[in-house]
Amino acid sequence: GDSVTQMEGPVTLSEEACLTINCTYTATGYPSLFWYVQYPGEGLQLLLKATKADDKGSNKGFEATYRKETTSFHLEKGSVQVSDSAVYFCALIGDSNYQLIWGAGTKLIIKP
Amino acid sequence: DTGVSQDPRHKITKRGQNVTFRCDPISEHNRLYWYRQTLGQGPEFLTYFQNEAQLEKSRLLSDRFSAERPKGSFSTLEIQRTEQGDSAMYLCASSLVGGQPQHFGDGTRLSIL
Repeated sequence: GDSVTQMEGPVTLSEEACLTINCTYTATGYPSLFWYVQYPGEGLQLLLKATKADDKGSNKGFEATYRKETTSFHLEKGSVQVSDSAVYFCALIGDSNYQLIWGAGTKLIIKP
Repeated sequence: DTGVSQDPRHKITKRGQNVTFRCDPISEHNRLYWYRQTLGQGPEFLTYFQNEAQLEKSRLLSDRFSAERPKGSFSTLEIQRTEQGDSAMYLCASSLVGGQPQHFGDGTRLSIL
């Protein structure tokens, strides 16, 4: 079945450092890909999305490119802030068209 | 757009009791989803509705769980005879149509004593 694998955390960085959180997927067909963020004590917020190969999703300085050849959707940001500290989830919707398949989440800690 | 709202935010109950959670989706969204999330894990799909019709239920959804969306607007998730293993965050999401991004509420955290 469909699955998502993302790098284990926690990832600890200093403020203004560059961020990459790796995400790879297995799916039949052409899934839509998403990054969600969860701040402490809060629900999941959609961060960005991409629906077809080579699409780039972007929001709040974060970017991710849908790479079908490597089945990847890595999350990147050029300069992180303390306020970016949260858990980041990579997810996909495949042929089912209703069920989000989730990675395990990566906790990001940004130190001032 | 007022977002997805869930009530209550926290529920503490004794084992064996019944609990009911409510979810109000974004008003124009036809699809409504329930997920469960345990600490340190990604959410697990439970069930979803297209308008008032419940179209899919996960095997995770035992007979003690029931969900309704009677008028195609808000939804309720009931757990009967709660067990320790039911302790989790219960998340509701909605989307306009299938395949579109799902927007989540803040969840209901259930603790079983």
